[in-house]
Amino acid sequence: QITLKESGPTLVKPTQTLTLTCTFSGFSLSTSGVGVGWIRQPPGKALEWLAIIYWDDDKRCSPSLKSSLTITKDTSKNQVVLTMTNMDPVDTATYYCAHLSSGWSFDYWGQGTLVTVSS
Amino acid sequence: QSVLTQPPSVSGAPGQRVTISCTGSSSNTGAGYDVHWYQQLPGTAPKLLIYGNSNRPSGVPDRFSGSKSGTSASLAITGLQAEDEADYYCQSYDSSLSGYVFGTGTKVTVL
Repeated sequence: QITLKESGPTLVKPTQTLTLTCTFSGFSLSTSGVGVGWIRQPPGKALEWLAIIYWDDDKRCSPSLKSSLTITKDTSKNQVVLTMTNMDPVDTATYYCAHLSSGWSFDYWGQGTLVTVSS
Repeated sequence: QSVLTQPPSVSGAPGQRVTISCTGSSSNTGAGYDVHWYQQLPGTAPKLLIYGNSNRPSGVPDRFSGSKSGTSASLAITGLQAEDEADYYCQSYDSSLSGYVFGTGTKVTVL
């Protein structure tokens, strides 16, 4: 059974750095073909893909946010960490991590964590 | 930002059939990449509804079906039920981004 759970601060100030951790179980990020992605959703708006890390440590980020995003993995801890610098109120959103299937769909999702950016 | 375009809303009476379109471009759906669909009930995380254009994960009712042709894909819900009232998103891979893209989202209302 695959499960994922996001953790991190619920409130950050503008210009601060956000660090979110995705802790998962039921699969290994060292298994060929596996990936974990981050997706966010501002209140009342659509889903937006942010970044993904694959089993071989290949990493991809959304071009619109590439300069502010870093994604890393700790295979031994079953964790993926997303860092976003220079946070702005427009970054207020629910942040989800999700398991990427071999067919490139996100088949398992965490419950999401709401991050508010405000002074 | 969304690069797959969906209608903002669709509605139908219980028992009716509704369809949601998802239009991409030559770097994503038109390049042959599969389209996947998600259902998001209010206040919950998205749930995979259709994968690989037309396949249903275990537990998804056969009232939901998907198809793809060229740069466009569609999700159909037949025998619409009150519990189907939710937001629906399509998703694919984009070669120009080397990443994943979601649709603009469609709210389904059961009249």
